[in-house]
Amino acid sequence: AQTVTQSQPEMSVQEAETVTLSCTYDTSESDYYLFWYKQPPSRQMILVIRQEAYKQQNATENRFSVNFQKAAKSFSLKISDSQLGDAAMYFCAYKDPPYRLTFGEGTQLTVNP
Amino acid sequence: GAGVSQSPRYKVAKRGQDVALRCDPISGHVSLFWYQQALGQGPEFLTYFQNEAQLDKSGLPSDRFFAERPEGSVSTLKIQRTQQEDSAVYLCASSLLGQGVYGYTFGSGTRLTVV
Repeated sequence: AQTVTQSQPEMSVQEAETVTLSCTYDTSESDYYLFWYKQPPSRQMILVIRQEAYKQQNATENRFSVNFQKAAKSFSLKISDSQLGDAAMYFCAYKDPPYRLTFGEGTQLTVNP
Repeated sequence: GAGVSQSPRYKVAKRGQDVALRCDPISGHVSLFWYQQALGQGPEFLTYFQNEAQLDKSGLPSDRFFAERPEGSVSTLKIQRTQQEDSAVYLCASSLLGQGVYGYTFGSGTRLTVV
């Protein structure tokens, strides 16, 4: 079975600063997808960013970007210009071909004003 | 609808009681998933539907768990004879395409507490 590891149970950042959340995964597949989801207290999982493994270019969505290191099986999320609304639990997820998502344990992000 | 809708939002059940959790996916979405999220953990896969066909139920923890999607739209997750270890948030997700390469849209879940 695939595994996803998030080694930081909690992180904090000052408003307007940058924070990086770590994620590593284990797979023998060569083509797959990786995601970061945000889960606020409302419980809804909100897709933040996705990365296709066959693309070497790192995905970017506004203030969110990833550092995808395929050989190292690492997929970190960088949040720039952090805002109070970014505070949430963040989950890294690997999509097993063809459809199953495997999630990490999550990182609780606190944004301090 | 505009998003994935789940009901009830909260459910308290006495141990041994049967419960039914409802998921109303985005209209037209082919794929539907159920995930179980224990407190402080990431969601874990339970089952997968493509239209009305249940293609994968390997994540269901016991035969007390049963899911259906009879008309390929609304789905119900049923738990019989609930036990304390069933306490969790149950999340439903859907996607337009079968393999969800653009990710899945999740609902806000049902928090089940078994007392």
